Amino acid sequence: GQQVMQIPQYQHVQEGEDFTTYCNSSTTLSNIQWYKQRPGGHPVFLIQLVKSGEVKKQKRLTFQFGEAKKNSSLHITATQTTDVGTYFCAVRGGNDMRFGAGTRLTVKP
Amino acid sequence: EAGVAQSPRYKIIEKRQSVAFWCNPISGHATLYWYQQILGQGPKLLIQFQNNGVVDDSQLPKDRFSAERLKGVDSTLKIQPAKLEDSAVYLCASSAQPTNEQFFGPGTRLTVL
Repeated sequence: GQQVMQIPQYQHVQEGEDFTTYCNSSTTLSNIQWYKQRPGGHPVFLIQLVKSGEVKKQKRLTFQFGEAKKNSSLHITATQTTDVGTYFCAVRGGNDMRFGAGTRLTVKP
Repeated sequence: EAGVAQSPRYKIIEKRQSVAFWCNPISGHATLYWYQQILGQGPKLLIQFQNNGVVDDSQLPKDRFSAERLKGVDSTLKIQPAKLEDSAVYLCASSAQPTNEQFFGPGTRLTVL
């Protein structure tokens, strides 16, 4: 079955520092989605990437889809305390939908 | 626009008992998902419906879990009998073409004692 690995598992940063989480798949993906889950909350959709090499930006967040459509990254510039939460990638290959284990981000003010 | 509704929000049962969860997706969303999220882990897809047909149930423990979406709208997930390791949050999500953005409900937190 499809395997998806997300690293790092945890990341603790000082407010203002940058943050990056990576998602790697064992198979070529149809698309990849990124979600954020605040502590005690439910996942909230951030973005979907479909095209090889695609780069999308949302304010301080930059999302990339690898050329081979097997990996992706989420980069946050100058983190803020509101960025705290767990960031998940969700991958689809065919009909399979699988979430990564997530990267838990904590931000020290 | 109303979001995904789930009930109950919390449930505590003893092992070997049965439990059922209900989900009402966003109106017009053809795709409905049930996930199990164990504390500290990512959501694990249990079953995906497209209208009232099953698209993917490869990770559903079919000896104890069942789900249905009879009229292609709301859905129920049942566990019978429950085990201690079933303690988790059960999330329902729905999506629609063309974005396939998944909208999640608040989840049902199940504790099995």
